[in-house]
Amino acid sequence: SYELTQLPSVSVSPGQTARITCSGDVLGENYADWYQQKPGQAPELVIYEDSERYPGIPERFSGSTSGNTTTLTISRVLTEDEADYYCLSGDEDNVVFGGGTKLTVL
Amino acid sequence: EVQLVESGGGLVQPGGSLKLSCAASGFTFSGSAMHWVRQASGKGLEWVGRIRSKANSYATAYAASVKGRFTISRDDSKNTAYLQMNSLKTEDTAVYYCTRSIGSYPHDYWGQGTLVTVSS
Repeated sequence: SYELTQLPSVSVSPGQTARITCSGDVLGENYADWYQQKPGQAPELVIYEDSERYPGIPERFSGSTSGNTTTLTISRVLTEDEADYYCLSGDEDNVVFGGGTKLTVL
Repeated sequence: EVQLVESGGGLVQPGGSLKLSCAASGFTFSGSAMHWVRQASGKGLEWVGRIRSKANSYATAYAASVKGRFTISRDDSKNTAYLQMNSLKTEDTAVYYCTRSIGSYPHDYWGQGTLVTVSS
């Protein structure tokens, strides 16, 4: 089965740029998506197909993939961006989430 | 407005069974694939499985951790997806979400989740 690896936590100050990475062999052949989850809420789709921003998501959010690593970049971070972020990838029959990264905005 | 509403969660003993429902509205349910994703308290997300549309032969797929114990089905006439869970284990305790995927959009809508607790 596939595995996706994320750092448990990332910290950034307001106005700075946050980069959250996700690594795994599955990314070399399949698209990645990114989900944001705030406490007590269901996850929300942020980025799909590596770099496509879901409608309604601010332009501050962007995604890119190089080799076996996909990156979610949040520019000009706001306090409201503090959340858990999960990557997801896989093929038709085998889908996996990364372990999640807690973004703290100091 | 797209809505997904899960129901059927509760307390069940190890080895028991439970069937979750996901009632959908606000979109063409029959054209969407439906998924189940779970999240144990304080833990990350885990994809459980999915069922495709009639056009894709209602094909199902499951995570290794639930294969052979869980079954996903759907009733397009009722706009509802189901998750039948058998031989439940304590490690199946989690909030279970249903999601949809349609076209290029994966998991773009999520329900509010329903809590399943497996305990004696």
